[in-house]
Amino acid sequence: DQQVKQNSPSLSVQEGRISILNCDYTNSMFDYFLWYKKYPAEGPTFLISISSIKDKNEDGRFTVFLNKSAKHLSLHIVPSQPGDSAVYFCAASAATDSWGKLQFGAGTQVVVTP
Amino acid sequence: EPEVTQTPSHQVTQMGQEVILRCVPISNHLYFYWYRQILGQKVEFLVSFYNNEISEKSEIFDDQFSVERPDGSNFTLKIRSTKLEDSAMYFCASRLSQPQHFGDGTRLSIL
Repeated sequence: DQQVKQNSPSLSVQEGRISILNCDYTNSMFDYFLWYKKYPAEGPTFLISISSIKDKNEDGRFTVFLNKSAKHLSLHIVPSQPGDSAVYFCAASAATDSWGKLQFGAGTQVVVTP
Repeated sequence: EPEVTQTPSHQVTQMGQEVILRCVPISNHLYFYWYRQILGQKVEFLVSFYNNEISEKSEIFDDQFSVERPDGSNFTLKIRSTKLEDSAMYFCASRLSQPQHFGDGTRLSIL
């Protein structure tokens, strides 16, 4: 089941630069998208979300962009900081699913170097 | 900030034994979930729970699995007869509206 795909398993970025993480989905019924950050030995921590009625949502250093026609979303982190080094998961839920289960991508390991 | 707590952090069990994983969701949340992540694989949905009953379950959640909210605060996942392939991180999550908030997980190791 590959409804949510993160094709880049890893990303290395210099401190202060922009990190761009990508996510593609196949299910056109998805209407709510989330990004979670995960440190080792911890659970996923919610970062930012976007509803399908929007194409951009911003929260501090984090911005999520949604391109519905391309079934693509991206997370921008500006500027990247060493504490941003973690695994980032894209997740989605469908309007047809009343209970809101999440489908996850495989994750992207981000390493921010000094 | 309120958080979802899970115990134990690591559970080692012999194959064929029963195991119970425990979760305390955030107190005013109404929707509860279990997910698992096998090493090297995606986080997968197992089951959702609302109004004291299972609302949705995945194909993974077969007759060996059950969930319970026995006392209005704890939310448990029971595996009746564990298999080697049940070895994974198990995450509990809860929400009121959006988003889901996750616990730190229980690492289940089946020997």
